[in-house]
Amino acid sequence: RKEVEQDPGPFNVPEGATVAFNCTYSNSASQSFFWYRQDCRKEPKLLMSVYSSGNEDGRFTAQLNRASQYISLLIRDSKLSDSATYLCVFLGGGYNKLIFGAGTRLAVHP
Amino acid sequence: GAGVSQTPSNKVTEKGKYVELRCDPISGHTALYWYRQSLGQGPEFLIYFQGTGAADDSGLPNDRFFAVRPEGSVSTLKIQRTERGDSAVYLCASSPGTRGETQYFGPGTRLLVL
Repeated sequence: RKEVEQDPGPFNVPEGATVAFNCTYSNSASQSFFWYRQDCRKEPKLLMSVYSSGNEDGRFTAQLNRASQYISLLIRDSKLSDSATYLCVFLGGGYNKLIFGAGTRLAVHP
Repeated sequence: GAGVSQTPSNKVTEKGKYVELRCDPISGHTALYWYRQSLGQGPEFLIYFQGTGAADDSGLPNDRFFAVRPEGSVSTLKIQRTERGDSAVYLCASSPGTRGETQYFGPGTRLLVL
């Protein structure tokens, strides 16, 4: 079983839509979770950290459910510029290496 | 300020050749990481340096892969006897502390082994 599982998509949504991605992880000892964004042929960039209490950053909301071992990302009022691959990530053993999912592709169309 | 830089941006080589990929981390960052990203996959951890020493090399796939960071700044990833399966984007990241929560990635080196 992969350490991090994500629906690869693509999710094709119109501008203004709300879209949600889920991700499941297998390591119950994981402590730190993140969503990264990766544009085509670019490096991954941190979108936001994910906290147990849930956190919001503008149009983006992240949630962590430790009991079910999944994290989610909600994007409200989608923009064309949100089109990218969203990577689910957790901090692996030793608190140094990042463990990435394969990513979920989002395409926002006019 | 300058981010993480990697050279070359693209590298084409033939099966069996030796390649070196270079990473310049953000100035002052003590931690440096190498990842490999194959098409359609997320980045996969290779090795982590804290200062000059490799603190975790558990992700290196085999002994053809080796990395060094002799002065605690620039790092070189070395691949011997390249194989077609080594074709991927090799990403370098750096972070300021001992915990890897905040890692800044470079643009990567695209390696193609023919």
